[in-house]
Amino acid sequence: TQLLEQSPQFLSIQEGENLTVYCNSSSVFSSLQWYRQEPGEGPVLLVTVVTGGEVKKLKRLTFQFGDARKDSSLHITAAQPGDTGLYLCAGARAQKLVFGQGTRLTINP
Amino acid sequence: ETGVTQTPRHLVMGMTNKKSLKCEQHLGHNAMYWYKQSAKKPLELMFVYNFKEQTENNSVPSRFSPECPNSSHLFLHLHTLQPEDSALYLCASSQVAGALGDTQYFGPGTRLTVL
Repeated sequence: TQLLEQSPQFLSIQEGENLTVYCNSSSVFSSLQWYRQEPGEGPVLLVTVVTGGEVKKLKRLTFQFGDARKDSSLHITAAQPGDTGLYLCAGARAQKLVFGQGTRLTINP
Repeated sequence: ETGVTQTPRHLVMGMTNKKSLKCEQHLGHNAMYWYKQSAKKPLELMFVYNFKEQTENNSVPSRFSPECPNSSHLFLHLHTLQPEDSALYLCASSQVAGALGDTQYFGPGTRLTVL
């Protein structure tokens, strides 16, 4: 049973387009983290959201934590080729991080 | 550079070999983790150490043996592995495992191939 469902699993769009990645669960998390992972490297933290309804912005990236702390979204505005990578959401429960299966994003020039 | 280093970055071993993976964190954290990342599967937590004490063993086979001599170092000792154990093994650290808002920082991983 996959506790965190990410969608879409694959996304290929043109430079300049907007996109949204979703991370959904039936479980409540104390916090949620988004990571980006390049091939052959470990995940790099983008943001941690803690409060239900919280919105955080990181340049062209906007992260939102659902009011019930069960889901999250990542919105990228005017995507660039440098945004290409594997995006992972991870929910914190006790001492564990539960990871989604990831969204592989490709931005074409 | 996340402050978490792992060696070696790549390892090829036979099923009868014994090898060890090393992780070191320079962030002053108190918790360290081992994860396994296989193709087409989500990251799987293996072990958690909090203040040098193992607090989580996620039903990992005994052919994987962790060791945490202090809060800055974590090892994963490998013996009699199977080809299906081939994967990217990631180490992470955080301030205190389970604390509200606690954030994990990952190393670059060790790409393990078992022949």
